[in-house]
Amino acid sequence: GQNIDQPTEMTATEGAIVQINCTYQTSGFNGLFWYQQHAGEAPTFLSYNVLDGLEEKGRFSSFLSRSKGYSYLLLKELQMKDSASYLCAVRDSNSGYALNFGKGTSLLVTP
Amino acid sequence: EAQVTQNPRYLITVTGKKLTVTCSQNMNHEYMSWYRQDPGLGLRQIYYSMNVEVTDKGDVPEGYKVSRKEKRNFPLILESPSPNQTSLYFCATSGQGSSYEQYFGPGTRLTVT
Repeated sequence: GQNIDQPTEMTATEGAIVQINCTYQTSGFNGLFWYQQHAGEAPTFLSYNVLDGLEEKGRFSSFLSRSKGYSYLLLKELQMKDSASYLCAVRDSNSGYALNFGKGTSLLVTP
Repeated sequence: EAQVTQNPRYLITVTGKKLTVTCSQNMNHEYMSWYRQDPGLGLRQIYYSMNVEVTDKGDVPEGYKVSRKEKRNFPLILESPSPNQTSLYFCATSGQGSSYEQYFGPGTRLTVT
């Protein structure tokens, strides 16, 4: 099985930068995904990392260190609409294409 | 337009009354999956299917059944629903390959009284 940990809640100010951390333990790491989920809606894909390093996509970046079992999602120039839950998910080669999700980090952006 | 559809979107039912939640996708994806999402517990996988006629249990399969007779459809069946199956359910699909993200349906909010 897998153990995926991320903070439960975070608060940040509009225009600021926030970093959401995720740690995981898995026997056959095969990729890490970040999803955004607004309340009552479906998760939507943000980023994918399989090699160490930083992937940048506009205001969002995601970093991976496989040796440390660690990833973070960096959100820059925060906007009110970024208030949502952010889900870290790990794919394990032992379980096909299944994704195992963390419990999510609820981010509140304040004016 | 690439789509994953679920029906119904909302359902209130009573204990023991069989129900089916449908999931359909138009992306020709081989992989389909069902999750339930509960406060404090996150998304948990119920069942998944790697292709037609191939299904397997996820982390919380008890009380659920699935079938995969056609590539595009992956219905979730609750033969005898109970109140602890009150939840938000998501269907998801993905292409084959470790880099492929999963696309989620809009969700079905089920209440069992």
